[in-house]
Amino acid sequence: NAGVMQNPRHLVRRRGQEARLRCSPMKGHSHVYWYRQLPEEGLKFMVYLQKENIIDESGMPKERFSAEFPKEGPSILRIQQVVRGDSAAYFCASSPNSGHQETQYFGPGTRLLVL
Amino acid sequence: DQQVKQNSPSLSVQEGRISILNCDYTNSMFDYFLWYKKYPAEGPTFLISISSIKDKNEDGRFTVFLNKSAKHLSLHIVPSQPGDSAVYFCAGQWSGTYKYIFGTGTRLKVLA
Repeated sequence: NAGVMQNPRHLVRRRGQEARLRCSPMKGHSHVYWYRQLPEEGLKFMVYLQKENIIDESGMPKERFSAEFPKEGPSILRIQQVVRGDSAAYFCASSPNSGHQETQYFGPGTRLLVL
Repeated sequence: DQQVKQNSPSLSVQEGRISILNCDYTNSMFDYFLWYKKYPAEGPTFLISISSIKDKNEDGRFTVFLNKSAKHLSLHIVPSQPGDSAVYFCAGQWSGTYKYIFGTGTRLKVLA
């Protein structure tokens, strides 16, 4: 049973370019969460999605960031016009059900470096 | 506003001894807590969790203790093994939400 898959594992972008990060949840999981980890910090929640729905985006920056989880295919976190401060590790997690006290299983992360 | 605090950035322990990692929280609405382990260049791996209705949960070498009055939890690893060397994150969650609030992590080094 494959775990949460993320790609690419490393992504280098120049300022002003777009970054697209992909996440395939574990088999049987239909709930996806995105977290960001800045250097020397803990993981910070960004967004929670179910298939075709954004449930909670309270941690997403208001501009340049968007997320989707289409009916078919992986979840995508999109960052437009990247800036150096976007450099971080982005982790995706999934769970089989929604709700409180559902364990979230994390992928290996995408390390974004903005030059 | 750091709702979950791990005040010790690092800890070194001899192999075979007990490792105790501590975590404090300020949000009294938290009712579920988790510990994750993270190796470099990998994602966090779930270790153990505890609901606020309990004060202890044990799984093999790992035990989590919760002291609600002190808003404090700790992770005990005994006996510690070199493979336990990693960064450990505690996280809290409150009823009605999906997101975890993570601490900044404690780097554990188990010396052979």
